[in-house]
Amino acid sequence: GESVGLHLPTLSVQEGDNSIINCAYSNSASDYFIWYKQESGKGPQFIIDIRSNMDKRQGQRVTVLLNKTVKHLSLQIAATQPGDSAVYFCAENVSGANSKLTFGKGITLSVRP
Amino acid sequence: NAGVMQNPRHLVRRRGQEARLRCSPVKGHSHVYWYRQLPEEGLKFMVYLQKENIIDESGMPKERFSAEFPKEGPSILRIQQVVRGDSAAYFCASSPSGRAGNEQYFGPGTRLTVT
Repeated sequence: GESVGLHLPTLSVQEGDNSIINCAYSNSASDYFIWYKQESGKGPQFIIDIRSNMDKRQGQRVTVLLNKTVKHLSLQIAATQPGDSAVYFCAENVSGANSKLTFGKGITLSVRP
Repeated sequence: NAGVMQNPRHLVRRRGQEARLRCSPVKGHSHVYWYRQLPEEGLKFMVYLQKENIIDESGMPKERFSAEFPKEGPSILRIQQVVRGDSAAYFCASSPSGRAGNEQYFGPGTRLTVT
């Protein structure tokens, strides 16, 4: 079936390094993508989004890249900090459908001091 | 500026009991979504409601689960005759519009434990 999935379950990075979290999606009709951060015991927190008419979007220390050809989404975090340690989810939405989101399984980012 | 509120934060029920989970959306938001998260998994869509209407319940189990979003008051997710497999974190999200491509704001979740 169609799904959103993540390649790696965990990612460990050194504080100060850049982090790259990858996500594959299979629904070619998806045209809105969001990255969420979830800290332990909390709800998902919006990080950044991107629409399918773009291939790159930058926020504060974060960049999302979208490659529609290979249905791939990535989140880049610059100068990773201990506070970035969390589980990260990509989610997708299909235009023309309602706004329900389809989430991937999640990847744990662990930042080493 | 209050965000999405959910209560209770933690709920323990014995098998066969009923669980009621409440969600108050961001002020001014009339679109509410419920998601379930099993341990070590992503969130799974359950139901999407607008005031007094269920718009999409394609993710809801056919039995024992129901949801409402009345004209006044919070949205309620109700689970009757709970079983151990219902143990999960239940998240509510709200948005100002139901159009695709709109950001959803999530609450802190209710963690349901069925003993």
